[in-house]
Amino acid sequence: DTGVSQDPRHKITKRGQNVTFRCDPISEHNRLYWYRQTLGQGPEFLTYFQNEAQLEKSRLLSDRFSAERPKGSFSTLEIQRTEQGDSAMYLCASSSEGGYGYTFGSGTRLTVV
Amino acid sequence: GNSVTQMEGPVTLSEEAFLTINCTYTATGYPSLFWYVQYPGEGLQLLLKATKADDKGSNKGFEATYRKETTSFHLEKGSVQVSDSAVYFCALPYANRDDKIIFGKGTRLHILP
Repeated sequence: DTGVSQDPRHKITKRGQNVTFRCDPISEHNRLYWYRQTLGQGPEFLTYFQNEAQLEKSRLLSDRFSAERPKGSFSTLEIQRTEQGDSAMYLCASSSEGGYGYTFGSGTRLTVV
Repeated sequence: GNSVTQMEGPVTLSEEAFLTINCTYTATGYPSLFWYVQYPGEGLQLLLKATKADDKGSNKGFEATYRKETTSFHLEKGSVQVSDSAVYFCALPYANRDDKIIFGKGTRLHILP
């Protein structure tokens, strides 16, 4: 197992464009999480899936954000009409049920110009 | 929900110095407690954890003891190395759930050779 993979590692986009990030969790983990981390801050919870069901969305996730995990394996996070305030590191993590702690991917760094 | 407060950085030490990074928490009951580390340009890695009061988590020479009397989980290392330079995050589950973790703001550690 190669751990949690995120793609791309870096993304630069113009304001107003749409972007999509992908996360491949550890295969035996049924839980998948998305967090956002801005400079000098800890990760902030965005949303999480158990299998294919999206069980919780943070109020930080505006209507421009959508996440999917269609087959309970990989997940995508899409941001529509990006704004400069969306610039951040987007982290994906996975865990098993009842697990203690997450395994994180290396993150996708988004820069909106 | 639960919350965590950790000392602000940056912390700058010379190699082989003793390290303490303070972390205090507010929680209902006795949730698991975690320390994560983030090396430059990477995602977070679980450094150590403690699942019940009075437990000591340890890894790579780092230790932290779950102290319910002082609601603390301070991270310590007896002799730091340059390679320990990173950002350290204290974390715990939100509202004693096992499916959502909240993080402190992080403490940046610089070790000078």
